[in-house]
Amino acid sequence: TQLLEQSPQFLSIQEGENLTVYCNSSSVFSSLQWYRQEPGEGPVLLVTVVTGGEVKKLKRLTFQFGDARKDSSLHITAAQPGDTGLYLCAGADAGGTSYGKLTFGQGTILTVHP
Amino acid sequence: NAGVTQTPKFRVLKTGQSMTLLCAQDMNHEYMYWYRQDPGMGLRLIHYSVGEGTTAKGEVPDGYNVSRLKKQNFLLGLESAAPSQTSVYFCASSYSGGHYGYTFGSGTRLTVV
Repeated sequence: TQLLEQSPQFLSIQEGENLTVYCNSSSVFSSLQWYRQEPGEGPVLLVTVVTGGEVKKLKRLTFQFGDARKDSSLHITAAQPGDTGLYLCAGADAGGTSYGKLTFGQGTILTVHP
Repeated sequence: NAGVTQTPKFRVLKTGQSMTLLCAQDMNHEYMYWYRQDPGMGLRLIHYSVGEGTTAKGEVPDGYNVSRLKKQNFLLGLESAAPSQTSVYFCASSYSGGHYGYTFGSGTRLTVV
């Protein structure tokens, strides 16, 4: 069974601060995704990283895939109250036989105070 | 752009009652999934389907059944609801497996009393 450990579980910061969320595993993934979920809604895909060492930017969000494709990070610059939500990482099995099943991290609840 | 639609959004059941959760997608996706989300437990896969007419067990299948008679629909059934099945249920779909991510529905909040 593949596991994805996400840290921290909770993050409470002031508007304007920077933050990083980590996602780690001992397993290799073919891709890793980050989702954001707001209360009462389903997770929404933010980004998919596929290549080891890949870095993608989405406005103030920077996503990085580890060189060995076992870990990933999400960095938010100058956080805003609108960034508040649950952030989930998810890895796709590199074995090719899991029929598209994703392994999800436990999530990071981010609260950005004005 | 409906994406993935789940019905109902909320439901309260008594222990022992049955119900069916409906999931419909309009993106012609082959793969569909049912997850439950509980505090501290993350998203756990219940059942999934890799195409019309196929179903398979996920991580926590006990007490649930599924059917995929049409490509666009994936139904999740609870035959005899138990309080342990109180949760938020999410349906998701994908075109080519999980490699490029899922599209999720907005969820069904189920309470079993």
